[in-house]
Amino acid sequence: DADVTQTPRNRITKTGKRIMLECSQTKGHDRMYWYRQDPGLGLRLIYYSFDVKDINKGEISDGYSVSRQAQAKFSLSLESAIPNQTALYFCATSDSTGAPEQYFGPGTRLTVT
Amino acid sequence: GQSLEQPSEVTAVEGAIVQINCTYQTSGFYGLSWYQQHDGGAPTFLSYNALDGLEETGRFSSFLSRSDSYGYLLLQELQMKDSASYFCAVPYSGGYQKVTFGTGTKLQVIP
Repeated sequence: DADVTQTPRNRITKTGKRIMLECSQTKGHDRMYWYRQDPGLGLRLIYYSFDVKDINKGEISDGYSVSRQAQAKFSLSLESAIPNQTALYFCATSDSTGAPEQYFGPGTRLTVT
Repeated sequence: GQSLEQPSEVTAVEGAIVQINCTYQTSGFYGLSWYQQHDGGAPTFLSYNALDGLEETGRFSSFLSRSDSYGYLLLQELQMKDSASYFCAVPYSGGYQKVTFGTGTKLQVIP
C-alpha cells in the first residue's frame, strides 16, 4: 500500500463550491505539506504543519484553509473554488529528524469550471 | 526571498550523459535537493547536497558549489525511463524542511 494517499484523485467542480482534498499517511511522520503545481511554475507551498497543533501558511495560502485532524491526516479546503485554482495538488510528508527528503502523494487533479 | 533558475527543457540521446543546472538565490542556505517527476506522477527525492562537491548515487550524481550558488544533476548512461522533469529545491531561510522548488527541467531522452 502507498505510504501517502490522497483523495479524490480527480475532481471537477463549479465556481463557488466548497471542496476538500484529503491526505493520509502511514509513514509516521510529524510534518505534512500541501503543494500546488501549475505548468511552468513548479511546486508552490500552500500550507504546512510540523505537528498536530502547528499550522503555517506557505507562499500561496490565500483562498485555501487546512485542518490537521491527526498526525496521519491533513486536509486542504477551498471554501469557494475559482477557476484559477485549477491545478494539480500534492500532499507531502517528512520526518522530524531534519532529513531533507519529502515523500509525495499521487496528487489530486482539480478542475474548477 | 528565494529564487531558483533551471533550463526549461533538455534533450539527450539514450546512453549519453546529461547535466541539468540549477542556480539559486537564497537568504541563508542549508542545502540543495533534487527531485524527479514523471508525467502524471508524484515527485520523488533523488539527492541532497549540503556541502560542496559531488554526491554519487548509481547513475545519478549531484554537485554543489556554495560559493557560486550553483548545483547540477548529472545523469549517466541515460535510459528512456529517465525522461521526466527534474526539480531543484532549496530550504527556506530559517526553515530546514520547508522548501522552494525550481520550475523544473523537462528531460527528453531520444533513441
